[in-house]
Amino acid sequence: GAVVSQHPSRVICKSGTSVKIECRSLDFQATTMFWYRQFPKQSLMLMATSNEGSKATYEQGVEKDKFLINHASLTLSTLTVTSAHPEDSSFYICSAGVPGGGNTEAFFGQGTRLTVV
Amino acid sequence: KQEVTQIPAALSVPEGENLVLNCSFTDSAIYNLQWFRQDPGKGLTSLLLIQSSQREQTSGRLNASLDKSSGRSTLYIAASQPGDSATYLCAVFNDYKLSFGAGTTVTVRA
Repeated sequence: GAVVSQHPSRVICKSGTSVKIECRSLDFQATTMFWYRQFPKQSLMLMATSNEGSKATYEQGVEKDKFLINHASLTLSTLTVTSAHPEDSSFYICSAGVPGGGNTEAFFGQGTRLTVV
Repeated sequence: KQEVTQIPAALSVPEGENLVLNCSFTDSAIYNLQWFRQDPGKGLTSLLLIQSSQREQTSGRLNASLDKSSGRSTLYIAASQPGDSATYLCAVFNDYKLSFGAGTTVTVRA
């Protein structure tokens, strides 16, 4: 299957600072990428849909000024958590590939464990 | 809004036993359903993808069925091994997004 690389895998930051997470599709072009958040023992919650060359679409309840998404190329989307607080600590996962119709699957990155202290 | 439920939440079996994991969803107008495996602290690995027009998919010891009209899918894992211990997630795709269940955490005892 296709490879999606997410970096960093773990990050610890101080409260009030910003953190950038990268999501790259290594062997295919992705016009659309998705960002999820996962709390312990809970399901993945879609945060936003990242579209290359246009603004991201955020799910209800997700603060777009806090979670900045940039999808500047067909292989890279970034999520920046601005002015991070301890409640932002979570597991963030990106995916690429739109599983709509055909046999297109969603491929996921390795995830990023964010801890805000 | 699509709701996806997985039962049971956790399962512990001795090695060699077959596993049956259940997934149900509320909106049957789906494009496809995907089963994933997640190891602790890791991302998701795709196991099987079933198109809405299909009834089942098989890969090695894994078999997944789909009954779209009743909103159900079942993942069967034959002859379980300790290496199968992980959390298994199902996700359905409709309305241009994936909706996930909370997962079933499987422990296979040696």
